[in-house]
Amino acid sequence: GEDVEQSLFLSVREGDSSVINCTYTDSSSTYLYWYKQEPGAGLQLLTYIFSNMDMKQDQRLTVLLNKKDKHLSLRIADTQTGDSAIYFCAEREGGGFKTIFGAGTRLFVKA
Amino acid sequence: GAVVSQHPSRVICKSGTSVKIECRSLDFQATTMFWYRQFPKQSLMLMATSNEGSKATYEQGVEKDKFLINHASLTLSTLTVTSAHPEDSSFYICRAGISDNEQFFGPGTRLTVL
Repeated sequence: GEDVEQSLFLSVREGDSSVINCTYTDSSSTYLYWYKQEPGAGLQLLTYIFSNMDMKQDQRLTVLLNKKDKHLSLRIADTQTGDSAIYFCAEREGGGFKTIFGAGTRLFVKA
Repeated sequence: GAVVSQHPSRVICKSGTSVKIECRSLDFQATTMFWYRQFPKQSLMLMATSNEGSKATYEQGVEKDKFLINHASLTLSTLTVTSAHPEDSSFYICRAGISDNEQFFGPGTRLTVL
């Protein structure tokens, strides 16, 4: 079945850029998402990209999509301590509502 | 913006009891809601798709009789964990949305079964 993979941990210094990577297997994915989960809270949609786009920028967030390699990345510029959280990559199956999530990358931001 | 609420946020129960979790869309109508389960340090696992006015669609491996879903109105879906056991302890999250990309997660319900 479809699968989404991402590294489990990332540690960066405050002020640096963070890049969180994700790979997926469903070539018919229509949308790809990045969600943020803070401790004890539900998921918050950060941004999404349609599968026919290569890049999307939203303030400090830049999403890059390489559809050929099925690789998605999230870059957070000027990372702050408040960005410490778990970031989930997700893909929406082509032709349906089903969304497959990765295991999440825990971002640690050191002051 | 659109809000999805869940109640309760946290519940502790004895083994063998049943627990009902509510998911409400507060300012929009949702014909479809999704129920997820999250284990510690793991991703979300889709349990079922809740459809207003019809039976829920369960993912493979999810017991229908164990996790009862009722989507009685366009703003409310309930998940009942029947005869709960310690292995059912988890974080349960619902999702609902206005459109394909206006999807919102509830804050989650942490279930602890003693």
